[in-house]
Amino acid sequence: DADVTQTPRNRITKTGKRIMLECSQTKGHDRMYWYRQDPGLGLRLIYYSFDVKDINKGEISDGYSVSRQAQAKFSLSLESAIPNQTALYFCATSDPTGLAGGGTQYFGPGTRLTVL
Amino acid sequence: GQSLEQPSEVTAVEGAIVQINCTYQTSGFYGLSWYQQHDGGAPTFLSYNALDGLEETGRFSSFLSRSDSYGYLLLQELQMKDSASYFCAFGMDSSYKLIFGSGTRLLVRP
Repeated sequence: DADVTQTPRNRITKTGKRIMLECSQTKGHDRMYWYRQDPGLGLRLIYYSFDVKDINKGEISDGYSVSRQAQAKFSLSLESAIPNQTALYFCATSDPTGLAGGGTQYFGPGTRLTVL
Repeated sequence: GQSLEQPSEVTAVEGAIVQINCTYQTSGFYGLSWYQQHDGGAPTFLSYNALDGLEETGRFSSFLSRSDSYGYLLLQELQMKDSASYFCAFGMDSSYKLIFGSGTRLLVRP
């Protein structure tokens, strides 16, 4: 079974709709991240969390919110989706005490979101 | 501000060696990481350099020079399956949140 899972894998929605993307992990890591990737570009950090009570904004948090329901679950919400939020969204986890330190992040399979 | 620069595309022949360079600008630096991403797939971790020097993992090696704000990924004995995008990324602080470059698309030809 995959260590980091994301649901849904694909979603098409309309402008103005509320959307929630979910991420679950079985790696036992405290740190979780949400990234967005646009075609031909690198990943940009939306939000990150070090534990249930510690949530931080990333580079591009406007228009997004998150919820850390448990160590294993981290959800990303788009309160009112707009077309320029069409992108590939990745969840990731990390363990800074691991062999390669915090430089190693483990990514989920991604959610392809299209906002019409 | 923070930024990374890497070539947008590199083409190489199967069996050859290719080097993908990465230069960065940042006020804080906690190591340089490299990730591989196949089309439609998730990024997967390849290598991490916290200190200057060369790290070797099988056919892949990564180098870092902190004084030059420069690193590279070296891929040896290229295989067709190495065709993918390669991203360098650095951590700015002890939170290890990563700043990614725009990626280098590697095409391996027979």
